[in-house]
Amino acid sequence: DVKVTQSSRYLVKRTGEKVFLECVQDMDHENMFWYRQDPGLGLRLIYFSYDVKMKEKGDIPEGYSVSREKKERFSLILESASTNQTSMYLCACALGGILYEQYFGPGTRLTVT
Amino acid sequence: SQQGEEDPQALSIQEGENATMNCSYKTSINNLQWYRQNSGRGLVHLILIRSNEREKHSGRLRVTLDTSKKSSSLLITASRAADTASYFCATGGGGSNYKLTFGKGTLLTVNP
Repeated sequence: DVKVTQSSRYLVKRTGEKVFLECVQDMDHENMFWYRQDPGLGLRLIYFSYDVKMKEKGDIPEGYSVSREKKERFSLILESASTNQTSMYLCACALGGILYEQYFGPGTRLTVT
Repeated sequence: SQQGEEDPQALSIQEGENATMNCSYKTSINNLQWYRQNSGRGLVHLILIRSNEREKHSGRLRVTLDTSKKSSSLLITASRAADTASYFCATGGGGSNYKLTFGKGTLLTVNP
């Protein structure tokens, strides 16, 4: 079974802090994704990566950056956290492109106060 | 946007009944996937149907795809309390080889 782990289930940060969310997958998948999920808005793609050191913006990249130095690890960075970034963050990986299912981590519920 | 829109937003049924959820989208797609999310957890893939397929089965799940109407339906037969979850459709295609676009989901409650 594919396992996708996220560094924290719950996280509380203060406005202006730099926040790192880590995601690790154990199945050697090429593609990794970061989504945020908000009530009434569904899942929205923040960034994705299709190879080590390669990244592409998703639909809502503003206020976020990412890092993928190793194939199994994909980090989401909030450079200066703001209250409107309070959300559930979901990481996923996939063996290939859109014809492949995505495997999701359990999510990190981030609260910015 | 080719974002899928699920209908209804919420559905409540009794155990043993069938549940049908619908998904509509706006542009041409390569495939459509359905996912389930239990409360506060990550999503789990259920089934993928390609644009040249009309129907697909997996256990108690039946998915149909009508590309002329740009719509899909997910049928769960003989529902169980454990099927209580949110269900999302996700569309792939439209110029990107990597991105899936998720809908807002249908919350299904199965009462024992």
